[in-house]
Amino acid sequence: QTVVTQEPSFSVSPGGTVTLTCGLTSGSVSTSYYPSWYRQTPGQAPRTLIYNTNTRSSGVPDRFSGSILGNKAALTITGAQADDESDYYCLVFMGSGSWVFGGGTKVTVL
Amino acid sequence: QVQLQESGPGLLKPSETLSLTCTVSGGSISGYFWSWIRQPPGKGLECIGYIYYTGTTSYNPSLKSRVSISVDTSKNQFSLNLSSVTAADTAVYYCARYSTTTLPNWFDSWGQGTLVTVSS
Repeated sequence: QTVVTQEPSFSVSPGGTVTLTCGLTSGSVSTSYYPSWYRQTPGQAPRTLIYNTNTRSSGVPDRFSGSILGNKAALTITGAQADDESDYYCLVFMGSGSWVFGGGTKVTVL
Repeated sequence: QVQLQESGPGLLKPSETLSLTCTVSGGSISGYFWSWIRQPPGKGLECIGYIYYTGTTSYNPSLKSRVSISVDTSKNQFSLNLSSVTAADTAVYYCARYSTTTLPNWFDSWGQGTLVTVSS
């Protein structure tokens, strides 16, 4: 069974840039997997950041961007701020009506 | 803007059936796909399954034998039943809406989540 992989954690300095990735244990993530990205702070429901690979959800600042890098989907945070500390999850379409989340990446800003 | 609210018992004993309802307000349940997602404490998100407003369903293969999702358009609600629960089913359960009825698709609205604990 194919698993959706994400880095468990990342640390970034304030004002810095960090790129989170979303891959597969077997195969490559492409635009045909329609990757989306969600941000979750403790005790809160996830919120949509990016959908359809690179489209920002309403109200999401342009320092968040989505792309395909090599064989993975990617979420880049440019000019990281303290309140960007969150867990970030990708979601991909695996076909046959199946949608699967990655394991999530915990981002620390320090 | 559509709002979703989960409701149901917060404490179950092993072998019981988990039953949750998601009430949709500020919009119609018709015309959309609706999903249940769960998150065990300290862990990641897991899709349980989804239902179209017409009643068509799709379930996570790992839970398929125990899961049932239904919809009541007259009440603007959809529901989750998960049978024979164990401690491993302890999680925050979210309901969510898929943004469209075709691809590409994504979750555009979420409930606040409800914690369900399974303990003897």
